[in-house]
Order: sequence, then structure tokens, then C-alpha cells
Amino acid sequence: EVQLVESGGAGVQPGGSLRLSCAASGFTFDEYAMHWVRQAPGKGLEWISFINSDGTDTYYADSVDGRFTISRDNSQNFLFLHMQNLRPGDTALYFCAKVSSGYDPAFDYWGQGTLVTVSS
Amino acid sequence: SYVLTQPPSVSVAPGQTARLTCEGDNIRSKTVHWYQQKPGQAPVGVVIDDSDRPSGIPERFSGSKSGSAATLIISRVEAGDEADYYCQMWDVTGAPPVVFGGGTKLTVL
Repeated sequence: EVQLVESGGAGVQPGGSLRLSCAASGFTFDEYAMHWVRQAPGKGLEWISFINSDGTDTYYADSVDGRFTISRDNSQNFLFLHMQNLRPGDTALYFCAKVSSGYDPAFDYWGQGTLVTVSS
Repeated sequence: SYVLTQPPSVSVAPGQTARLTCEGDNIRSKTVHWYQQKPGQAPVGVVIDDSDRPSGIPERFSGSKSGSAATLIISRVEAGDEADYYCQMWDVTGAPPVVFGGGTKLTVL
């Protein structure tokens, strides 16, 4: 059974930093690209970052580019999101998500999310 | 950046058919996925690759595309279908490469 379990969310002041983790199991982790998607309270889904299967290619939404860094540890089956210079607008539930294989793949598995609150 | 537009809300009576639209430029050339999200839960794919159903999704859920819109069709709507629904596609030459629609709240009357 595929499982994605996020952790690391917390309350933090503006300008602060956090590292989110996503523990993956039930599939061959190093064969799949992974993503982070966030959802602000009462709002829709916002894609924020992608990393390819071997970690050599990453991509970010403009809203987080230069402040967030996605990485992965294929030896331990973990996905990470390093978040710096956090802003109140970064307050959201952060999901890690796996995509299926193929061209234009769907998100086939999601974690339950970890909550980040940025407030003074 | 590419924009997918969904109506904020759709209401339907139980047993009727709900049609949720997702509009975007040249959407017929894109592959569209649909996700259902119930309160406090993660999204779940209900239609992928325009019109396929993931394992475990009832046949009542289907998808189509026509003109500039993709449509999620939910037949014989049940109370348990009440949720937010998001369309999603890839725009590999754009920024961002992954685009979600704003979501539609389906209310079952």
C-alpha cells in the first residue's frame, strides 16, 4: 500500500525557516517524480515544486522560487521541502504527492498534509 | 501562465446529473485530470487522462472535452459526492508547469 506521510509543519514567525519531510512507502520511490502542493485555509490547490526521480531536476512556482528548496533522499525514501524567509502568505496545508508514470501524469497518491502557519 | 477556470459552485439534487466545467485555452490539446476533495481530506483522483477512472472510482464519474472546456460528469449524484472538485493539467512550456483550476464546490441539495 502506497503511503505518504508529511511532517515538520509548525507555527513560525515571518522570516523564519522550516523543513518539511515526507516519508514514502509502498512503491519504488526512486522511480517516480515527486511534488509539493499547498492549500491555504479555505482556498484551492497551488502547485509549488517538483523534483524528478533522481533529484537532478527541480522546478518551483514563482511564489516560492528562491526561498524554498525541494530535495529527496532515495536511500531513505524521503522527500523534503526546505522553506526560508517565510511569509504570512505561505500559511497553508502542505501536501506531498506522487505522480503516476507516463506523459502528463496525474497525481495518484497524496499525503494528508502538514500545516504551516506563518504569523507574528 | 496558463489559467484553468472553474465555476465556484454547482448545486444538484440527488439522483440528478452534475456537470462541472473547466475552461482553458486550447484545452482540447491538453490532458486533464480531476480530483475530489472532501473537508479535512487530501484530494483523490476521480477522472484522469481526460476520461479514465482510477481503480475504485464509481462508473458514475466520467469526463469529456469539447471546444475550450473539459467537463466532469457525475451521474446519479449522491449525498456523498458533495465535495470540492479541481481540474488539473500540465503546461510543460509554461510557468508553472502544473496548473490547477480554482475548484468547484458541489452541493447536493
